[in-house]
Amino acid sequence: DAGVIQSPRHEVTEMGQEVTLRCKLISGHNSLFWYRQTMMRGLELLIYFNNNVPIDDSGMPEDRFSAKMPNASFSTLKIQPSEPRDSAVYFCASSEQTGNTEAFFGQGTRLTVV
Amino acid sequence: SQKIEQNSEALNIQEGKTATLTCNYTNYSPAYLQWYRQDPGRGPVFLLLIRENEKEKRKERLKVTFDTTLKQSLFHITASQPADSATYLCALAADSSYKLIFGSGTRLLVRP
Repeated sequence: DAGVIQSPRHEVTEMGQEVTLRCKLISGHNSLFWYRQTMMRGLELLIYFNNNVPIDDSGMPEDRFSAKMPNASFSTLKIQPSEPRDSAVYFCASSEQTGNTEAFFGQGTRLTVV
Repeated sequence: SQKIEQNSEALNIQEGKTATLTCNYTNYSPAYLQWYRQDPGRGPVFLLLIRENEKEKRKERLKVTFDTTLKQSLFHITASQPADSATYLCALAADSSYKLIFGSGTRLLVRP
């Protein structure tokens, strides 16, 4: 397996535009996490899914953020409209089950909103 | 409030010495705790997991301890090498839903 795959690796967009980040899970994993990482706030959990169902989205900063998992192997994180303060590195991670197993991270998407 | 705290200052040590990193948590009762390594421009990579009923876990030059009374985990790298230089993050499951929450990480620099 190629691991967790995120696209794009880098995204530069203008304020107000819609941004869609993509994540392909490791085959067989049923938990999916989206994180945002900045120098100031570290690695923040935005939302996590188990078996395609959103379990906790309390970390989603506001209604401009939405995440979907249309099937067991793929997820999207959408920001609409984007703002400069959304600039960060966004990671997705997957694991085999909820609970005491390791999370596998993608390489991240570096988002810059100008 | 719930917090996971790691020393924000970089730890700078000489090659061959033991590095010890600390993770303290408040208002959590995790069943387990994990440690990850993150290199610049890359995602975190899992290193070790320790459960609440385990006092210590080892893997090669790595050792993790977990004290649920002190609400603290210590992460040790023995015989450190420059290649061990990275940021190390601790993580725990915040509640019964198993959402994985991370500390802010501690940067380790190992001088040759």
